[in-house]
Amino acid sequence: AQKITQTQPGMFVQEKEAVTLDCTYDTSDPSYGLFWYKQPSSGEMIFLIYQGSYDQQNATEGRYSLNFQKARKSANLVISASQLGDSAMYFCAMREFAGNMLTFGGGTRLMVKP
Amino acid sequence: ETGVTQTPRHLVMGMTNKKSLKCEQHLGHNAMYWYKQSAKKPLELMFVYSLEERVENNSVPSRFSPECPNSSHLFLHLHTLQPEDSALYLCASSQGTGARNTEAFFGQGTRLTVV
Repeated sequence: AQKITQTQPGMFVQEKEAVTLDCTYDTSDPSYGLFWYKQPSSGEMIFLIYQGSYDQQNATEGRYSLNFQKARKSANLVISASQLGDSAMYFCAMREFAGNMLTFGGGTRLMVKP
Repeated sequence: ETGVTQTPRHLVMGMTNKKSLKCEQHLGHNAMYWYKQSAKKPLELMFVYSLEERVENNSVPSRFSPECPNSSHLFLHLHTLQPEDSALYLCASSQGTGARNTEAFFGQGTRLTVV
């Protein structure tokens, strides 16, 4: 069973607007961490933001924020004021406390229009 | 620049060749990983090394052979590959493996094409 699901294969957003990328996850471990990575066309995976399962507040890092809804098992990434350089693949990932694995979703390709 | 360097960036090899991918990190991390990224498939974890010992092997065919001589270097030795092994191979490192808040730092990947 897939542990991380990203239901949007591709998304368009107008420059300077906000966009939400969806991520749902499945785990029975009460302690886990959720991550978002950006992958530009050059290939490298760039860490964006982290949310712990016990964190009381939603994580924020600059223009990135994470809309964490624990009961619904969702961890959506919100990018505010989109820029052309935000065009890339975005991956949601999870690490359970008990495991060695950082498990990734299938990714969402974001395209920012000028 | 994430501190994780992979070489080569691109590799084309025949099915009978033997080649190696190299990964190097100078972040002081003690865990290193190989991931495979194929078109239209989620990122797949292949191997995990913690303190130079393999702690995870995700049912990877024996034609892929990892080697971790020290905590800064990780190799993936390739032999008799198949065309379906063509993919982007990503190396990553992290400080530890069990902590839930341990993000991984990735290299730029090696784009492998098997002909």
